[in-house]
Order: sequence, then structure tokens, then C-alpha cells
Amino acid sequence: EVQLVESGGGLVQAGGSLRLSCAASGFTFSSYWVSWIRQTPEKGLEWVAHINQDGGEQYYVDSVKGRFTISRDNAKKSLYLQMNSLRAEDTALYYCVRDGGRDWGQGTLVAVSS
Amino acid sequence: DVVLTQSPFSLPVTLGQPASISCRSSQSLVYSDGNTHLNWFQQRPGQSPRRLIYTVSKRDSGVPDRFSGSGSGTDFTLMISRVEAEDVGVYYCMQHTYWPHSFGQGTKLEIK
Repeated sequence: EVQLVESGGGLVQAGGSLRLSCAASGFTFSSYWVSWIRQTPEKGLEWVAHINQDGGEQYYVDSVKGRFTISRDNAKKSLYLQMNSLRAEDTALYYCVRDGGRDWGQGTLVAVSS
Repeated sequence: DVVLTQSPFSLPVTLGQPASISCRSSQSLVYSDGNTHLNWFQQRPGQSPRRLIYTVSKRDSGVPDRFSGSGSGTDFTLMISRVEAEDVGVYYCMQHTYWPHSFGQGTKLEIK
């Protein structure tokens, strides 16, 4: 059974940092693109960042470029999102997602207070 | 950026009746490999999204055959042949032909 388990969310002040983690199991992690997608009631679903199988290619939505860094550790079957210079508009439920939305985690909530 | 526009915003349906959701893209979603990377997702209340359909019309494993996807280019449709109570939720189309990948705004299906 495929499992994606996110952790690391929480409440942080604007300008602060958080590091999200996603532990994967049930599939060959190193064979798939993986992504972070966030959701808010106001903006809906937004694809935040995307990384290829060996970590050599990363893509970011414009609103997080220069502030967020996606990375992965295939030996640990883990995906990460380092979030710096956080803003109130980054408040959202963050999902770890495999292969174009094929599988999703349960999400971890990030709340940024201004 | 590619904008996906779904209609209707809200979809009240009688149990056992069909339902249809439209998704229109601001540009063609045909990729250079010839595939069209348009997926459909269901999000039940309190749950994570679940993929139902990928590459326009391919049903994911475990998805009931009452769900079907169709379309091409810029116009796509999700059809539910006979709505059941468990189908209540929000449905999203999503494209991953272009970066940034993008979602429609969602269609809320409810039972009349």
C-alpha cells in the first residue's frame, strides 16, 4: 500500500522558517517525480514545487521562488520542503503528492501569523 | 500560465441521475509527446483529493466505471453515469502539460 506521511507543519511568525518532510512507503520512491501541493479555502489547490527522480530538476510556482526549496533523499525515501521568509499567504494545508497526483498524503497544516 | 475553468460551480443531482462537469483550458493541453495531461480528482469532505481519471479518459484502479472522462485540446468533461451518495464532494480538473501545473476551481456535487 502506498503511503505518504507529511510532518513538520505548525504555527510560525511571518518571516520565519519551517521544514516539511514526507515519508514515503509502498512504492519505489526513486522512480517517481514527487511534489508539494497546497490547499486553502480561498485559493483552492496550488502546485507549489516539483522534483524529478534524482533531484536534479526542480520547479517552483512563482510565488515561492527564492523562498522555498524542494529536495529529496532517495535512500531515506523522503521528500522535503524548506520554507523560508514565510508570509501570511503561505498559510495552507500542504500535501506530499506522487506522480502527477496519483497518490496524496493527508497533509500538514502551516499557519503563518502576521 | 494555463487557466482551467470549471462549470458549474455547484451541481445538485438526484440519486441515480447522471452528472456532468466541464473543464475548459486557456490553451491546448496536448504535450509534445502527443499525450494530453488532464486529470480529474474527487475530494470528499475531510479527505485528501483522490485521482479518478488521468490522461483525459483513463480510469484509476478501484474507480467505479460510472466515472468517465472525455475531451480533447481545450475542452474536457467528467461524467458520472448514475450518481450515488458516496459521490458527494468537490471535483477538480488538473493539467500537468505545462509548468506551473494548475487546477480548476472545483465543482461541488451535492445530492438534491
